[in-house]
Amino acid sequence: AQSVTQPDIHITVSEGASLELRCNYSYGATPYLFWYVQSPGQGLQLLLKYFSGDTLVQGIKGFEAEFKRSQSSFNLRKPSVHWSDAAEYFCAVDPSTSGTYKYIFGTGTRLKVLA
Amino acid sequence: GAGVSQSPSNKVTEKGKDVELRCDPISGHTALYWYRQSLGQGLEFLIYFQGNSAPDKSGLPSDRFSAERTGGSVSTLTIQRTQQEDSAVYLCASSIADADTQYFGPGTRLTVL
Repeated sequence: AQSVTQPDIHITVSEGASLELRCNYSYGATPYLFWYVQSPGQGLQLLLKYFSGDTLVQGIKGFEAEFKRSQSSFNLRKPSVHWSDAAEYFCAVDPSTSGTYKYIFGTGTRLKVLA
Repeated sequence: GAGVSQSPSNKVTEKGKDVELRCDPISGHTALYWYRQSLGQGLEFLIYFQGNSAPDKSGLPSDRFSAERTGGSVSTLTIQRTQQEDSAVYLCASSIADADTQYFGPGTRLTVL
């Protein structure tokens, strides 16, 4: 079955430390890939997306993600975390290479940042 | 420019009552989506509109749920005879076309007592 996995439910890092959030997907072809962030009481904000081309994608707020076809992964990274990055992060896929409309979301990773 | 807006932001209702949730998509976005975010279930797709028609209603959990979209813009999600398991955050998203990036609203938190 098609699925998106975010293995880490919670992650805690110190401010200034580097961050990597994992996302793996299970599909036959390369889907469109997204990372969204949700702050408490807020909707989902798009951080970055991958459709094709360069496998290292730059996003907003200093985030980047790398698509690795061999590992079916799309991990999110940030070199130095700020306290304001504390939020929940969702990986999502659009499973059709031509684009569909039904995003499949991972279960989310909640990030806590220690001062 | 304005993003996706949803109203109300919070709704508390009694079991058995009907509720209506509203979504105003980004101007010019032809595609509109409803998702539900609940504890233990994550984010689930409910329904998709292209213009005023809904080609895919496969995510609606029961016939108590319905949605419409008028004028290719505003959409209303209606839940009839609400149950406690309907308690969740209902998120609306829109995109320029059905194969483009979806932009999400702040959601409506529904609590059924």
